[in-house]
Amino acid sequence: GQNIDQPTEMTATEGAIVQINCTYQTSGFNGLFWYQQHAGEAPTFLSYNVLDGLEEKGRFSSFLSRSKGYSYLLLKELQMKDSASYLCAVRDPNAGNNRKLIWGLGTSLAVNP
Amino acid sequence: EAQVTQNPRYLITVTGKKLTVTCSQNMNHEYMSWYRQDPGLGLRQIYYSMNVEVTDKGDVPEGYKVSRKEKRNFPLILESPSPNQTSLYFCASSSQVGGSQPQHFGDGTRLSIL
Repeated sequence: GQNIDQPTEMTATEGAIVQINCTYQTSGFNGLFWYQQHAGEAPTFLSYNVLDGLEEKGRFSSFLSRSKGYSYLLLKELQMKDSASYLCAVRDPNAGNNRKLIWGLGTSLAVNP
Repeated sequence: EAQVTQNPRYLITVTGKKLTVTCSQNMNHEYMSWYRQDPGLGLRQIYYSMNVEVTDKGDVPEGYKVSRKEKRNFPLILESPSPNQTSLYFCASSSQVGGSQPQHFGDGTRLSIL
């Protein structure tokens, strides 16, 4: 079946760098998204990867290796406001027209002073 | 401002009393979707719509109905709510089904069914 794995929880220190991993097992691949979700709020889009390599966006970067079924989100210069859940989502290759996403359960990141 | 608007934001109601959660987007998006989010289960898709008058079941459609009579609106209907539908609900939209366009989420509706 289709599956996404992420660590449940992580902690890090303000100003540090943290890497949040996501591995996926799907029958094909058509793109991977990272979202940030603060407690009780809506998920907000962070990044999209469809080709191998690193995509950089300010303090946040996302990496993809399609051959390994692996992605990570890298957060630099951590701030307290980065305490949130980070969701990895992959397009469902079995859904025609790429109309569905398979969601991971999210990684809850706590940034400590 | 581009946004997805859900109403109500919070609702406490009783078993069996029909309710509708509205969702409206002002971005002229074709694709809209409803999710529920529960602890330990993550985001699960209830229904989605590829365009006006085109809707389809997601992973957990039982107990829910939707309609898409206009492009901007995608209401979620609970005909006879039950306690197991207590959850946090999100509506989302995107401009295209595939490609790099992300889904934009509403602020969520927290439903409690007693």
